[in-house]
Amino acid sequence: DQQVKQNSPSLSVQEGRISILNCDYTNSMFDYFLWYKKYPAEGPTFLISISSIKDKNEDGRFTVFLNKSAKHLSLHIVPSQPGDSAVYFCHSFSGGTSYGKLTFGQGTILTVHP
Amino acid sequence: NAGVTQTPKFRILKIGQSMTLQCTQDMNHNYMYWYRQDPGMGLKLIYYSVGAGITDKGEVPNGYNVSRSTTEDFPLRLELAAPSQTSVYFCASNGGSEAFFGQGTRLTVV
Repeated sequence: DQQVKQNSPSLSVQEGRISILNCDYTNSMFDYFLWYKKYPAEGPTFLISISSIKDKNEDGRFTVFLNKSAKHLSLHIVPSQPGDSAVYFCHSFSGGTSYGKLTFGQGTILTVHP
Repeated sequence: NAGVTQTPKFRILKIGQSMTLQCTQDMNHNYMYWYRQDPGMGLKLIYYSVGAGITDKGEVPNGYNVSRSTTEDFPLRLELAAPSQTSVYFCASNGGSEAFFGQGTRLTVV
């Protein structure tokens, strides 16, 4: 029961260009959406989030967009830097109901070339 | 603030051996989780806990056991190690928004 899906296993981008990572979800009850970043040999770390009352949240070079009608979440990185090369995971949950079972998408490997 | 601490960082087990992966958090989070990540794959939820004394199965619980006697600790037990359990294991905790992860335990079963 994969409620969160990242259909692109990998993405390769040139330094300075935009990186767009995508995530689709199936549960319309989800109201909180997060992105995590993971470097090799390290645990994932929280990157940015958005609640369902918004359609955009920006933090420096990172912007998350939420399209509730399409049940689609995207992360934009502008400009991309080689240090952004990592695995990115998306996650969604609905507060108070299915919150306990924290599951993630398969992840997208981002490679930013100098 | 230590966050989530996992021990050991690395371990090699022989088939049939048992071991416990330790996880402790100092943020007073109610929710704790164990994941495994196989090469080229995503994070698979093994077990989770919503508070002391309460645990539940995740997506891939077979071959593992957990306990949650305190808010801080959430150990993961492998009773009869098998090569299929070779993986990197991550513990995480969550206080209501984002999750905090440990650094991982790389386990090899030979």
